Amino acid sequence: DAKTTQPTSMDCAEGRAANLPCNHSTISGNEYVYWYRQIHSQGPQYIIHGLKNNETNEMASLIITEDRKSSTLILPHATLRDTAVYYCIVRANTGNQFYFGTGTSLTVIP
Amino acid sequence: GAGVSQSPSNKVTEKGKDVELRCDPISGHTALYWYRQSLGQGLEFLIYFQGNSAPDKSGLPSDRFSAERTGGSVSTLTIQRTQQEDSAVYLCASSNRTYSNQPQHFGDGTRLSIL
Repeated sequence: DAKTTQPTSMDCAEGRAANLPCNHSTISGNEYVYWYRQIHSQGPQYIIHGLKNNETNEMASLIITEDRKSSTLILPHATLRDTAVYYCIVRANTGNQFYFGTGTSLTVIP
Repeated sequence: GAGVSQSPSNKVTEKGKDVELRCDPISGHTALYWYRQSLGQGLEFLIYFQGNSAPDKSGLPSDRFSAERTGGSVSTLTIQRTQQEDSAVYLCASSNRTYSNQPQHFGDGTRLSIL
């Protein structure tokens, strides 16, 4: 599975959009981009995933560049409860396990 | 709707004892995964079950670790003769493997502490 690179930490003001970047320059054609987050003392929570088209659900939007080498997770109106570690994962549809790196620690500031 | 349920949520035991950790996956999910997460670390894959196929045990760290999945639903992870380095949060996840790009959904884990 392709390696991903994310910033170690980010801050965002409450009520503003949080834009979390992820680089996956070695992604191959059958690999999907997944985003999870983990709040302290809880299991990872699935947010969204996509292959090449932009995706949106009730939690977030996922923007994937045309060359698929990077993506951005957007939380449109960040709240204090969005403070968590966010993981960007690339995995082939033939894969089983998910490889969680170190992720981005997002702090939403009041 | 019911998510992945794990029990117990916390377990404290003495070194050398055996422990059993339980996972109830989301109903209808054919794939089940065990991971562990040590303090401040990422997730480490342990084992994967898919339907009636032989499990992928490639992540089990030693022969003290084993897992079963009965009737294609509930799974039990057993650690024999526990050691202090086994202390971690043990996470279970399930997915609908029928559609292979489907995400895994995680429980909140069992926090295991070995004294």
